[in-house]
Parts: sequence; structure tokens; C-alpha cells
Amino acid sequence: GQQVMQIPQYQHVQEGEDFTTYCNSSTTLSNIQWYKQRPGGHPVFLIQLVKSGEVKKQKRLTFQFGEAKKNSSLHITATQTTDVGTYFCAGYSSASKIIFGSGTRLSIRP
Amino acid sequence: AAGVIQSPRHLIKEKRETATLKCYPIPRHDTVYWYQQGPGQDPQFLISFYEKMQSDKGSIPDRFSAQQFSDYHSELNMSSLELGDSALYFCASSFDRYEQFFGPGTRLTVL
Repeated sequence: GQQVMQIPQYQHVQEGEDFTTYCNSSTTLSNIQWYKQRPGGHPVFLIQLVKSGEVKKQKRLTFQFGEAKKNSSLHITATQTTDVGTYFCAGYSSASKIIFGSGTRLSIRP
Repeated sequence: AAGVIQSPRHLIKEKRETATLKCYPIPRHDTVYWYQQGPGQDPQFLISFYEKMQSDKGSIPDRFSAQQFSDYHSELNMSSLELGDSALYFCASSFDRYEQFFGPGTRLTVL
């Protein structure tokens, strides 16, 4: 069946360092979304990517969707303590069937 | 702004009992999703409804069923509960299948 793999599983960085998480699907995706989940909280939508090769930026966050629409990445520049949480990619294979990646848990040392 | 409402927030059941989780989506949202999230795991898609019709099924066990009612609220019914069903159950809603807004979740503990 379709799988969405996400690496790394954990990332511990010094505040101010950059952070990147990668998402790879076994099949072509119609679109991909990114969510952030703080400890004890629920996933919160960050962004959706639809087009092949699409790049979107939100302040210090840069999101990319691969040319083949099978992979995506989230890059955070100069991390801050507020960036702590688990980042999930979520790939849509059809209009409403979604598979979440395994998540990357980001922790930051001040 | 209104958010997704889930009830109850916490539920404790014993093995082989049944449980019903309720979800009230954001008004005018046309799609409802159910997820199961185990400790330290990613949300596992269970089932979704679009305009009150089931649209997709994920890894939902046969012991579980769900439906969406005329007022758009949805219920997840879980029977013959097992210890492994202990998890956080999220409901999410979206409009036009775009951004999903997640509810706070129902924490189910099966003893």
C-alpha cells in the first residue's frame, strides 16, 4: 500500500541552527500538506503544496514539493524555541484519502 | 472563530465494551476526517465523509463504524474494544478538501 516516509525521526538542534525534514511517498501525490503538532496538542495546518516543483515560504519556513510530486521538504531557518514540536507531512493520493508521514520531532536547546 | 468540537475529551472503557465518539465540524465545512494517534505515533487516517457520504476508508478496523448525520456532526462507534484501541482520536474538518482543522481529540483508555 501507499507509504509516506519522513526523516529524520528526531532532530535536536541548538537555537539559531537550521532544521530540515524530508517526506517521501511511494506513489505520486495529488497534493501535500504540512502540519505542526505541539506536545499535548493537535495538528495545526501549516501549508498545502499542489504544483510540481512548488516552493512556498512562510517567514523562516520554506516548503518544497518535488518535481515528481513524490517528495517534499520543510526547512526552518534560524530555529527558535517556539518551533519545538512534531512536524508531519500529509500526502493526498485522492481527494480525501490522506496518509500522514511518521513525523519529525524537533527539540531545541536554548 | 468556531473550532471543531469533540466529545467526550476523555473516555475510559473496559475490554469488550463499546464507545461512541462525537465530532462537530466547523460550520459550512463539507468534509470530516477521523484519525487515530497512538503514543509517539503519527495520526492514522481512519475514514472520511464528504457531504455526509463516506468518501474514503483508511485503516479502520471492522469493529469500528462511523457516520455523518444531517446536521453534519459525525460519530465514530467502536465495539468490542481492545487494549490496543487506547489512543487519541482526532476529528478534523475542511472546506473543499483544503486545510484540515483538527479538534482537540478524545483520549480513549481501554482497561
